[in-house]
Amino acid sequence: QQPVQSPQAVILREGEDAVINCSSSKALYSVHWYRQKHGEAPVFLMILLKGGEQKGHEKISASFNEKKQQSSLYLTASQLSYSGTYFCAMVGVGSGNTGKLIFGQGTTLQVKP
Amino acid sequence: DTAVSQTPKYLVTQMGNDKSIKCEQNLGHDTMYWYKQDSKKFLKIMFSYNNKELIINETVPNRFSPKSPDKAHLNLHINSLELGDSAVYFCASSRGMASQYFGPGTRLTVT
Repeated sequence: QQPVQSPQAVILREGEDAVINCSSSKALYSVHWYRQKHGEAPVFLMILLKGGEQKGHEKISASFNEKKQQSSLYLTASQLSYSGTYFCAMVGVGSGNTGKLIFGQGTTLQVKP
Repeated sequence: DTAVSQTPKYLVTQMGNDKSIKCEQNLGHDTMYWYKQDSKKFLKIMFSYNNKELIINETVPNRFSPKSPDKAHLNLHINSLELGDSAVYFCASSRGMASQYFGPGTRLTVT
């Protein structure tokens, strides 16, 4: 079953912060985050493997609450280059040995000057 | 020095035709995937190969057949193309079950 992302879309001014949430109805093995710009391939941002794990990537970080089967992506002091569609993708427990990613529906982020 | 490459980038064809998309990765990864992204940007796994062995085979019409001649290549052959096959097809690769790296995509248009 597909993870659910919220919000579906967000518009920011440069320098503002945003949070994108992702939740699953199934027990999770790992959570992956990707960003896709229009007409391009999804680009890997980070992977979270353990419950409660937080990872950072420049001004983009993420957390993973294994108990709640949720993950959040935090974008701080947003830049124009952050614009794009953000996808969470989850590997369910039981699929850990196949790496089968189930993608959320995406969150479109637009950063304006 | 492209990491994951696909050919062709664009493919326009008529219903009923057979076509192939090729994928190659030079990252030394052992696992490769095919994804389909529809017009609503929904990304769905189709197939995955690990060391040339099929490990993921989602509910995909049997008109779609993947072939992995070696660890660095994964091709997708589609028979009897239908209008609903129009989409962007992405190849990806990973080392084991780690992060996946996507190719540039092949935009397939069936008329």
